[in-house]
Amino acid sequence: DTGVSQDPRHKITKRGQNVTFRCDPISEHNRLYWYRQTLGQGPEFLTYFQNEAQLEKSRLLSDRFSAERPKGSFSTLEIQRTEQGDSAMYLCASSRRPGLATEETQYFGPGTRLLVL
Amino acid sequence: DQQVKQNSPSLSVQEGRISILNCDYTNSMFDYFLWYKKYPAEGPTFLISISSIKDKNEDGRFTVFLNKSAKHLSLHIVPSQPGDSAVYFCAASFSGSARQLTFGSGTQLTVLP
Repeated sequence: DTGVSQDPRHKITKRGQNVTFRCDPISEHNRLYWYRQTLGQGPEFLTYFQNEAQLEKSRLLSDRFSAERPKGSFSTLEIQRTEQGDSAMYLCASSRRPGLATEETQYFGPGTRLLVL
Repeated sequence: DQQVKQNSPSLSVQEGRISILNCDYTNSMFDYFLWYKKYPAEGPTFLISISSIKDKNEDGRFTVFLNKSAKHLSLHIVPSQPGDSAVYFCAASFSGSARQLTFGSGTQLTVLP
């Protein structure tokens, strides 16, 4: 049983550069989430996909951020013109849309730690 | 405005004793609550959850209690083990299109041998 995987695990970049992260969800999961976590805080929601459709975006997701999930499988999160304030752990989670039940558990990947110099 | 709060940044417990981690929430629309455990440089690992139609859920050494009137939940770990030392996050969600999780800021649990 493979869990959620993320690549790369670490990324160091210079301010102004573009970076792209990849997330591979659990194979039968149709929902995929991106979160960001900064030091001393809990993860904060960024965006959500159901299959290939991006259905919700947080106000935290500025115009420099774009996420895709082509074919409803893996997802990418791109940050353009990175700023030092973008330094954080970027977490991906996936879940299966519940049927009649309302309960839904998200399973997280190991995260990508981004450092913008 | 923090909708989910974990007011204790840290907790130390002796091995074998009970660990009680607390969480408060303000949004009455939340109907599903989860606890995650996180080690450094890893993603959160799901521990246990509870729906708002219940007031208790138990899984092995872990029990979550929900008090809806007080908007309070707690995680009990009995007996505590050194391997339980980690940051514990409380999270909440409500029915809707996204089911996005709102997290507390976490509690660092240290279990002393």
